Amino acid sequence: QSALTQPRSVSGSPGQSVTISCTGTSSDVGGYNYVSWYQQHPGKAPKLMIYDVSKRPSGVPDRFSGSKSGNTASLTISGLQAEDEADYYCCSYAGSYTLHVVFGGGTKLTVL
Amino acid sequence: QVTLRESGPALVKPTQTLTLTCTFSGFSLSTSGMCVSWIRQPPGKALEWLALIDWDDDKYYSTSLKTRLTISKDTSKNQVVLTMTNMDPVDTATYYCARSHDRNFDYWGQGTLVTVSS
Repeated sequence: QSALTQPRSVSGSPGQSVTISCTGTSSDVGGYNYVSWYQQHPGKAPKLMIYDVSKRPSGVPDRFSGSKSGNTASLTISGLQAEDEADYYCCSYAGSYTLHVVFGGGTKLTVL
Repeated sequence: QVTLRESGPALVKPTQTLTLTCTFSGFSLSTSGMCVSWIRQPPGKALEWLALIDWDDDKYYSTSLKTRLTISKDTSKNQVVLTMTNMDPVDTATYYCARSHDRNFDYWGQGTLVTVSS
């Protein structure tokens, strides 16, 4: 399975909003509501930020939100803060009788 | 409190077989719906899912690597083991284990860097 397509980088100033897109196909992103997003700071393990397209785990600020339209999922971060600067990866779980998991190529978020 | 920890060799030679162990606590892999996956990340590159084992001992593998991977579990020891055969320098990466529950990776280990070099 091919990796999901994400922009290599996005940037924004503190307080602004940014959106990171994640484009797949009807076999993954478009076919299932199992898109998740992970934040990864340098040298650290990824952290789950959004699951099932738009749900937030306990402890994740409500500045983080997710959505999906067709084969493209999006992560929006509002009220940008310096600590949001990190790499972000989308992931889609897919498959019925056989399981497939595919990650995006990652997006570097810079807070200016 | 859920924790996972990866262990294994830091350095392997080309053509050798890599064996990694994920030791976890705070959940049981015999609980319905629980799964553990292995995911890797080459230096400076993206995450890549490798394999998953579920509570029912069903196993799933990355299509591109399935001929080289074997995943297994020891529920009594709270461990999941991944073996990867015929290692190559391109397999140099940080290898993570992560708990899967409800189709997302909610807890991750800290990762272990494996370098493939002669």
